[in-house]
Amino acid sequence: EVQIVESGGGLVQPGGSLRLSCAASGFIFDDYAMNWVRQAPGKGLEWVSGISWNSDSVAYAASVKGRFTISRDNAKNALFLQMKSLRPEDTARYFCAKSIVAAVTTRTTAFDSWGRGTLVTVSS
Amino acid sequence: SYELTQPPSVSVSPGQTVNIFCSGHELGEKYVCWYQQKPGQSPVLIIYEDRKRPSGIPERFSGSNSNSGSTATLTITGTQAMDEADYYCQAWDSGAVVFGGGTKLTVL
Repeated sequence: EVQIVESGGGLVQPGGSLRLSCAASGFIFDDYAMNWVRQAPGKGLEWVSGISWNSDSVAYAASVKGRFTISRDNAKNALFLQMKSLRPEDTARYFCAKSIVAAVTTRTTAFDSWGRGTLVTVSS
Repeated sequence: SYELTQPPSVSVSPGQTVNIFCSGHELGEKYVCWYQQKPGQSPVLIIYEDRKRPSGIPERFSGSNSNSGSTATLTITGTQAMDEADYYCQAWDSGAVVFGGGTKLTVL
C-alpha cells in the first residue's frame, strides 16, 4: 500500500524559512517524479514544484521560483521542500504527490498518490 | 501563463448524467487529467491522459478531450450522492503543471 506522509509545517513569520519533508513507502520511490502541490484555505489546488526520479530535472511555479528549493533523497525515500522568504500568500496546506511517470516535465504528468498534507501558516 | 477554466459549480440529480467542462487554449493538444476532492480529504486521481481510469475508479467516471478543440470533459454517468465533491482538471504546459480553478458538484 502506498503511504505518503508530510511533516514540517507550522506557523512562521513573513520573511522566515521552513523545510517540509515527505516520507514515502509502498512503491519504488526512485522510479517516479515527485511533486509539491498546495491549497490555500478554501481555495483550489496550485502546483508548487516537481523533481524527476534522479533529481536531474526540477521545475517550479512562477510564484515560488527563486524562493523554494525542492530536493529528494532516494536512499531514504524522502522528498523535501526548502521554503525561504515566506509571504502571507504562501499560507496553505502543502501536499506531497507522486507522479505516474519518472520525468517531471512531461505532457503525461498526473499525480496518483497524495499525502494528507501539512499546514503552513505565514503570519506575524 | 497558461490557464484552465472550469465552471465554479454544477448540480445534478441522483442517477442522472453530468458533464464538467475544462477549457484552455489548444487544450485538445494536451493530455488532461481530473481529480476528485471531498471536504477535508486529499485529491484523488480519477482520469488521466484524457480518458484513462486508474484502478479502483468506477466506470461511471469517463473523460474526453477534443483533438482540435479547447475543451475537455469529465462525465459522470448515474451520479451518486457520494460523488458530491470538488473536481479539478489539470494539464501540463511549458514545463509547468496547471490546475483548473475547480468545480463544486452538488448532487441534489
